[in-house]
Amino acid sequence: DTAVSQTPKYLVTQMGNDKSIKCEQNLGHDTMYWYKQDSKKFLKIMFSYNNKELIINETVPNRFSPKSPDKAHLNLHINSLELGDSAVYFCASSRLPSTNYGYTFGSGTRLTVV
Amino acid sequence: AQKVTQAQTEISVVEKEDVTLDCVYETRDTTYYLFWYKQPPSGELVFLIRRNSFDEQNEISGRYSWNFQKSTSSFNFTITASQVVDSAVYFCALSEVSGNTGKLIFGQGTTLQVKP
Repeated sequence: DTAVSQTPKYLVTQMGNDKSIKCEQNLGHDTMYWYKQDSKKFLKIMFSYNNKELIINETVPNRFSPKSPDKAHLNLHINSLELGDSAVYFCASSRLPSTNYGYTFGSGTRLTVV
Repeated sequence: AQKVTQAQTEISVVEKEDVTLDCVYETRDTTYYLFWYKQPPSGELVFLIRRNSFDEQNEISGRYSWNFQKSTSSFNFTITASQVVDSAVYFCALSEVSGNTGKLIFGQGTTLQVKP
């Protein structure tokens, strides 16, 4: 019944590894997002996909690559993980115009790079 | 450029006190939406309110109330008779209608600690 589900909830990995975080929504929304929350709690958008098309790509290192196989899924793949990638990553979904319909956030994935 | 400022980094109150969390925003758009989210210690983001730029009526929901003033670009949040369960990080956020990207711009967050 979870509206926006992210897996895994916790991820601990070594520097240099490649990892993926998966996100799925069952709300029928057409737009999905990835937000990063750093150690100071600051939340910033990374990517947004609308109907599988990339519409927001903030200044994120090339090591981060989102993939949206369909409207209900938005995965985040990170190559060559660095210590600074440690953060909580939130997936969200909405129906555009999202300002009319609001957003639903997943519960977050806490990534720790050691 | 769009920006949301929550000048209060941390606030500590004793239970039953009233507390106001400030939020000031900047935008060139005439149509935009403002949000408040709560992030309890468990980490999830909980939606509290959405307000559009054309609706300046204050809103009250139980112990929560919001004061939107376009003249000062502020959207402040007051908790009346605070409780320990209100302890959380609170985020104010802005979304512009133009561009239709759905991008949410968050403030830095205010950590509220309510002591028994």
